[in-house]
Amino acid sequence: QVQLQESGPRLVKPSETLALTCTVSGDSISDYYWSWIRQPPGEGLEWIGHMHYSGSSNYNHSLKNRVTISVDTSKNQFSLKLSSVTAADTAVYYCARIYTRVCPGCPYYFDEWGQGALVTVSS
Amino acid sequence: DIQMTQSPSSLSASVGDRVTISCRASQSISTYFSWFQQKPGKAPKLLIHSASNLQSGVPSRFSGSGSGTDFALTISGLQPEDFAIYYCQQSYSTPWTFGQGTKVEIK
Repeated sequence: QVQLQESGPRLVKPSETLALTCTVSGDSISDYYWSWIRQPPGEGLEWIGHMHYSGSSNYNHSLKNRVTISVDTSKNQFSLKLSSVTAADTAVYYCARIYTRVCPGCPYYFDEWGQGALVTVSS
Repeated sequence: DIQMTQSPSSLSASVGDRVTISCRASQSISTYFSWFQQKPGKAPKLLIHSASNLQSGVPSRFSGSGSGTDFALTISGLQPEDFAIYYCQQSYSTPWTFGQGTKVEIK
């Protein structure tokens, strides 16, 4: 059974860079796409972006080029970096697996999630 | 961006009731569509993918329907563990977007 676990600093100062890592166990990171999603306290869900180990990536334009997602196949991990953070970036950050068969017309969906990491932006 | 609009935003129901939640996309998304359940302090859980496919391990009282722009999640025989927030989500085009959520509460 695949498991995802977020790790990283839970308190980040304004203007600095938020950095989280998701460790994947029970499956190879090379077999799927991987994503980050966030949820401000008491609010809804926002897709941040996703990537494949091959380097293919896609980010939410609303984050204005502040986001980088990277994959480390040797450690079976993927990471999120969000630069120039403000209080508006305070949220629970989830890592998630995207299931797809990578074929024309095949669906994509988030089938496995980490437990989430609350990151607070505050001085 | 594709906007996902859920209705209602909240509802009160009793154990055993049949409940239907709707989600409308601002443009056609075929069946690139999922439903999630979220309980307090927990990650969302996939219930339905591809509009109508029940995820493995999810009870059969959950069902999904629709395609194009209009979708529905039905819970046939609400159970105590089903009181939660439900989100719809499209994966047709980036940015992938979620509905605002529907809170199902105990009457």
